[in-house]
Amino acid sequence: GIQVEQSPPDLILQEGANSTLRCNFSDSVNNLQWFHQNPWGQLINLFYIPSGTKQNGRLSATTVATERYSLLYISSSQTTDSGVYFCAVERTRGGKLIFGQGTELSVKP
Amino acid sequence: DARVTQTPRDKVTEMGQEVTMRCQPILGHNTVFWYRQTMMQGLELLAYFRNRAPLDDSGMPKDRFSAEMPDATLATLKIQPSEPRDSAVYFCASGLWGSDTQYFGPGTRLTVL
Repeated sequence: GIQVEQSPPDLILQEGANSTLRCNFSDSVNNLQWFHQNPWGQLINLFYIPSGTKQNGRLSATTVATERYSLLYISSSQTTDSGVYFCAVERTRGGKLIFGQGTELSVKP
Repeated sequence: DARVTQTPRDKVTEMGQEVTMRCQPILGHNTVFWYRQTMMQGLELLAYFRNRAPLDDSGMPKDRFSAEMPDATLATLKIQPSEPRDSAVYFCASGLWGSDTQYFGPGTRLTVL
C-alpha cells in the first residue's frame, strides 16, 4: 500500500518563528489533506490539497504531485499552533485516507 | 456551528465486556468514517459508510468489531468482547461525497483493563 512519511517527527520553535513541515508519499494520489491535532486531541482539517498551493492566514500548503511531496508552512508561529500535524493521502477519491505518523510541534512563548 | 458528536467521551471497561460507541455526523453529510488512534499504529481507518451503506471495513477486526448506521443521524461501532489491545482513541468523521474534506469528532477514549 501507499506509504506516507512526515518530517521532522518533532519540532520546537520560539513564538514568532517560521517552520516547514514535509510529507512524502510513495505513489500518485488524488487526495491529500493536512490536519492539526491540538493538545486536547481534536483533529481539524487544515487543507485539502492534492496539487498546487493554498493559503489560509498564517498557514499555507504546497503539493508537488509529480514529485510526490507536500509542504505545510507555518509563519509567525503562536503557542496555539502547538500539537501534531498529520498529512493524509488517498490514491482514489473514495475516502480511504492513509495517515502519516505526524510532526509534533511545540511553540514556546 | 455544525460538528460531529461522539459518545461517550471516555470509557473504561473490563476485558470481555461489550463496548458501544456512537457518532452523530454533521447533518446532511452522507459519508461517515471510523478511525482508531494508538501510539504504536497512529491513525488507522477502520470502516466507512456512504449513504448508510458500508463501503469498506477492511481495517476492522471482523471477529469482534462491528459498525452500523441505523439511520442517517447515527453511526455505531461495537466491540464484543473487548480486549486490552483495543485501548485507543476512536474517532468518527463525516463528510460529503465529492468534497473530500473530513470533519472529525472529539473522539472516544477507550481503556480496556
